[in-house]
Amino acid sequence: NAGVTQTPKFQVLKTGQSMTLQCAQDMNHNSMYWYRQDPGMGLRLIYYSASEGTTDKGEVPNGYNVSRLNKREFSLRLESAAPSQTSVYFCASSEMGVTYEQYFGPGTRLTVT
Amino acid sequence: AQKVTQAQTEISVVEKEDVTLDCVYETRDTTYYLFWYKQPPSGELVFLIRRNSFDEQNEISGRYSWNFQKSTSSFNFTITASQVVDSAVYFCVHPGDDYKLSFGAGTTVTVRA
Repeated sequence: NAGVTQTPKFQVLKTGQSMTLQCAQDMNHNSMYWYRQDPGMGLRLIYYSASEGTTDKGEVPNGYNVSRLNKREFSLRLESAAPSQTSVYFCASSEMGVTYEQYFGPGTRLTVT
Repeated sequence: AQKVTQAQTEISVVEKEDVTLDCVYETRDTTYYLFWYKQPPSGELVFLIRRNSFDEQNEISGRYSWNFQKSTSSFNFTITASQVVDSAVYFCVHPGDDYKLSFGAGTTVTVRA
């Protein structure tokens, strides 16, 4: 099993460009999450999908959109990138809800210039 | 609101020394969960342990052990006979009922050969 995979691993964008981060899990988990991690900080939740067909905002949703394409895939879109969105982005999944341990992808390091 | 405090910012030890990481949490919930995650220099987040508030038994798993005490709201983690590969940032995490994970600030452990 690959667990949680993310693409791309690295990305450099210019201000105003858009892009989509892809995430897929093969553990048949119901819940999926997108986080960002900034230097010296823990993770902050951007959006989550408690189950297939639902998505909800987390702590820092502004500037992002998500799509739960199916049970396996959960994508994060930046419509108009800003330098403040420079961060490392992690996708995670869990069996059902946040009381179950989350398994994380390897992360995407995004730089917006 | 849930809050997690990891008072130790950095710990540096020589290989084979024991390392104890402190975690103090605040919660209004009567039933709750706590986690420890590890983030090695490579950047991925690795799940280590999940504990619920009903289970105060301390546990040992190989070189890792956990001390959970509800009376003092502490969930400490010990690495026995540390190795260089244990060098990482360790996060204590408390999930909330709004799908938000409350991360401690993290403790950076450096194990020197």
